[in-house]
Amino acid sequence: SQQGEEDPQALSIQEGENATMNCSYKTSINNLQWYRQNSGRGLVHLILIRSNEREKHSGRLRVTLDTSKKSSSLLITASRAADTASYFCAEDLSGSARQLTFGSGTQLTVLP
Amino acid sequence: NAGVTQTPKFQVLKTGQSMTLQCAQDMNHEYMSWYRQDPGMGLRLIHYSVGAGITDQGEVPNGYNVSRSTTEDFPLRLLSAAPSQTSVYFCASRRDLSSRAPLHFGNGTRLTVT
Repeated sequence: SQQGEEDPQALSIQEGENATMNCSYKTSINNLQWYRQNSGRGLVHLILIRSNEREKHSGRLRVTLDTSKKSSSLLITASRAADTASYFCAEDLSGSARQLTFGSGTQLTVLP
Repeated sequence: NAGVTQTPKFQVLKTGQSMTLQCAQDMNHEYMSWYRQDPGMGLRLIHYSVGAGITDQGEVPNGYNVSRSTTEDFPLRLLSAAPSQTSVYFCASRRDLSSRAPLHFGNGTRLTVT
């Protein structure tokens, strides 16, 4: 089964609105990472949150982590058309940083 | 720095043909890996390497071979292509095995096997 499942699978919002994506994972983690993928391109690292952190900010991005529920959320505030992309969470299932496992992603569309 | 470079960008193969997908990085990263991305399934790890001369299997290694003779290069070989290997392939590297080191991805190779 897929680890790190994102929810929803697809999200469509208007420019200026906030977008929230959720990720559930199944194992104990050292950290959780979020990546973005623009159409036809490779993934780009956005932010990492450690297991002892509950919230982290980077520009318009806000990530939260709830280890008791094994879930994380990514909030993009004041979204722009350029934020249109797929967003993935990734966890280290191996515990040795050798195998990073990705979920199937959330496709975000920001309408101008 | 070019980062992670993958060639070719597109490839069409017939069933049974072999080919090598190339991946090179110029960041002196210890760790390199190959993923395949299929619709609705996210990315799945094929093989990875933690340094020159060291490779290991990921989640879906069957039908693929890798080698790591230099730090910079990590080619992926399909020995006898099958339609099930139609996918987009991504090479990714990271500085080391620190769990906080992010992955750097190439722009992918789109492979179609007919």
